[in-house]
Amino acid sequence: KNQVEQSPQSLIILEGKNCTLQCNYTVSPFSNLRWYKQDTGRGPVSLTIMTFSENTKSNGRYTATLDADTKQSSLHITASQLSDSASYICVVSALLTSGTYKYIFGTGTRLKVLA
Amino acid sequence: ETGVTQTPRHLVMGMTNKKSLKCEQHLGHNAMYWYKQSAKKPLELMFVYNFKEQTENNSVPSRFSPECPNSSHLFLHLHTLQPEDSALYLCASSQGSGSGNTIYFGEGSWLTVV
Repeated sequence: KNQVEQSPQSLIILEGKNCTLQCNYTVSPFSNLRWYKQDTGRGPVSLTIMTFSENTKSNGRYTATLDADTKQSSLHITASQLSDSASYICVVSALLTSGTYKYIFGTGTRLKVLA
Repeated sequence: ETGVTQTPRHLVMGMTNKKSLKCEQHLGHNAMYWYKQSAKKPLELMFVYNFKEQTENNSVPSRFSPECPNSSHLFLHLHTLQPEDSALYLCASSQGSGSGNTIYFGEGSWLTVV
């Protein structure tokens, strides 16, 4: 069964600290993996997209890693800011036998950054 | 501003009401989507439209009726909803429906069914 699991469910850190969010998936056949940031009450916004051959991708203070062998991804946030408080959603896409793509969403990690 | 605009942002309706959610994208995309987001659950894909033709209906109850008059506009018509339908409804668009295309989400419409 195609699944995406994220941990932790929620996280509280102090401003300026680093943190790492985890995403484990059992999606097959894997096509790509995305991390989205969703501010409270707003729609998700794409942070990064990683394909099978990519191990690391950065977007400012956000760095995503992908280990296709262990089917794990992480999102590392450096020098956190109050504006990083949001839900972070991992999304894995699978290529179906019909030739179409299916997006499998994780439940997200709720991050709160305190001053 | 993601280029995908949803209205209304908040909607409260009774179980016998008929209402509609509207979505408009200004990105020139040809694929549009409706997603449902409930508390502590992953986003659930409801409908996919490619070039205004419905290409996916994810076993959504008939009380939700989508309409896509053109590639820029998408509606979700609601009638005889249940309280468990209360959720955030997200519209999204992408250049195509392939996996390499980034999906751009709107701000969502918060729906409460009373």
